[in-house]
Amino acid sequence: DAGVTQSPTHLIKTRGQHVTLRCSPISGHKSVSWYQQVLGQGPQFIFQYYEKEERGRGNFPDRFSARQFPNYSSELNVNALLLGDSALYLCASSLRLDSFYEQYFGPGTRLTVT
Amino acid sequence: GDSVTQMEGPVTLSEEAFLTINCTYTATGYPSLFWYVQYPGEGLQLLLKATKADDKGSNKGFEATYRKETTSFHLEKGSVQVSDSAVYFCALNRGGSQGNLIFGKGTKLSVKP
Repeated sequence: DAGVTQSPTHLIKTRGQHVTLRCSPISGHKSVSWYQQVLGQGPQFIFQYYEKEERGRGNFPDRFSARQFPNYSSELNVNALLLGDSALYLCASSLRLDSFYEQYFGPGTRLTVT
Repeated sequence: GDSVTQMEGPVTLSEEAFLTINCTYTATGYPSLFWYVQYPGEGLQLLLKATKADDKGSNKGFEATYRKETTSFHLEKGSVQVSDSAVYFCALNRGGSQGNLIFGKGTKLSVKP
């Protein structure tokens, strides 16, 4: 079975631009979460979606937004990019929201803002 | 708020040495606890989990026991291999409306032949 897939793999953008990252969950998984991992740090939670509704939001500015589609895939959008947005963006999927369900991570999208 | 604290790295060991990476947590309720591993240039892979007190998670020779009395979930392996070189993350999940993972900062392990 295919794991979590993310696209693109790498992306280089200029300050002030907008970016869209995409994620396809494991088949049958209804929850998708997004995390930002800055070099040398642990991942930080950005958003969680379940059944196409936002169920959680981390401490990120309104420049960050996301949505989940009827097929449970998801997009993360970041507007007005800053240098500090350079990071690895990870998508994770799980069957449900309960704490004991594992979250499975994709390979990530490496975003570089210049 | 909820948090996870891991021992500072990097940790450098010789092949076949014993590994311990300490992890303690602060959380209300009864979170599930996880260890993830990240190999260079890759995403995170789930290594093991425990969902209630005194549970022991194990996988690929790694073990960790959920200790509620000490709020700890230390990772251990009896004999490390060069292929275990990676960054290890401890994480918790309270579930429900707080169904996101909260990670520690990670511990980099290097195993020398």
